[in-house]
Amino acid sequence: ETGVTQSPTHLIKTRGQQVTLRCSSQSGHNTVSWYQQALGQGPQFIFQYYREEENGRGNFPPRFSGLQFPNYSSELNVNALELDDSALYLCASSQSGRAGEQYFGPGTRLTVT
Amino acid sequence: AQRVTQPEKLLSVFKGAPVELKCNYSYSGSPELFWYVQYSRQRLQLLLRHISRESIKGFTADLNKGETSFHLKKPFAQEEDSAMYYCALRGPGGFKTIFGAGTRLFVKA
Repeated sequence: ETGVTQSPTHLIKTRGQQVTLRCSSQSGHNTVSWYQQALGQGPQFIFQYYREEENGRGNFPPRFSGLQFPNYSSELNVNALELDDSALYLCASSQSGRAGEQYFGPGTRLTVT
Repeated sequence: AQRVTQPEKLLSVFKGAPVELKCNYSYSGSPELFWYVQYSRQRLQLLLRHISRESIKGFTADLNKGETSFHLKKPFAQEEDSAMYYCALRGPGGFKTIFGAGTRLFVKA
């Protein structure tokens, strides 16, 4: 059984640019959630994907978008990057029906300059 | 508004002492409550959930609906318990997990 993986580990972007972060869910999991964790804060829910559809969204603007693929892996895209987007982005996967039991990836550290 | 409050950013106790990490929540309804833990250089992982009513690594947490609290307790802290602890809630059948800001527990030898 493979755990949740995320890529890249870290990256640096310039304000106004676009970024794509990737997540591979744990084997057997069909639900992926994305979180943003600013320094000194808890993770904040961005959105969740289930069977390739977004089925819930937190308080984030439309420039945060995502995709889920048939193999349940997922992407988080952020357009028009702002300095405040600098954070650790976490992906978590779970099985439907066990929605509370999420397994987290190691995160992608995004720095916007 | 749905909210999770962890009033202590840092909690420092001696090895063998009891420890209680506080968590209060605001939610209209019956949420699921969780404690997540992040050890140094490891990923965030689920420690326990209230519906399981289990003890994990000696930790327990009781949901008090009257006080809207879900405090995490352990009678005798160990050095390996030093970590970041996050309380979280999720609505029934919901998709969104709300995390608190976290409490760093430091267990001194």
